[in-house]
Amino acid sequence: DQQVKQNSPSLSVQEGRISILNCDYTNSMFDYFLWYKKYPAEGPTFLISISSIKDKNEDGRFTVFLNKSAKHLSLHIVPSQPGDSAVYFCAANAVIAGNMLTFGGGTRLMVKP
Amino acid sequence: DAEITQSPRHKITETGRQVTLACHQTWNHNNMFWYRQDLGHGLRLIHYSYGVQDTNKGEVSDGYSVSRSNTEDLPLTLESAASSQTSVYFCASSFQAGGGSTQYFGPGTRLTVL
Repeated sequence: DQQVKQNSPSLSVQEGRISILNCDYTNSMFDYFLWYKKYPAEGPTFLISISSIKDKNEDGRFTVFLNKSAKHLSLHIVPSQPGDSAVYFCAANAVIAGNMLTFGGGTRLMVKP
Repeated sequence: DAEITQSPRHKITETGRQVTLACHQTWNHNNMFWYRQDLGHGLRLIHYSYGVQDTNKGEVSDGYSVSRSNTEDLPLTLESAASSQTSVYFCASSFQAGGGSTQYFGPGTRLTVL
């Protein structure tokens, strides 16, 4: 039973437009969420995070929104750039349980010039 | 610059052989983790360590072992490699003792078991 799900395996957007990547979770103990970006043949790199005490966190072109009641978070990239083309992983952490992360299956984003 | 490295980057082995994947970090992080990445599953936790002499099982630990004799290294051993262990393996580390801490990943090791 996957506790973190990314239901869209892939997403294609035009350069300059908004990319919205979605993530759902089932474990109500999760209270810290992260997004990682992964290029081929490289390790995941940290992008942005959000604590459950917030509903929004912004860093440049990247914004993460958290809807705790719906157990849903999303990553918005505005404007999208071709260099954003990568696989994006959503991850969740139950702080009280330690530093372990539970990952979603990933969404491949393709930004077309 | 501090970093986390993995070796080898690619490995081909045969069923039944023992294989050890190395992970080395120079951040002086207390926490270290091993994940495997498979299509459709994202990254799944194999083992983790919160400090020297501490090791814990993750979600998919069967057939794997780790040891932590110093802060910098967490080698992952496949006792008797199986074809189901063909995967890409990532090591990660983080500093904070509790949750809410960002993990930083190595470049990965692609393992093929024939």
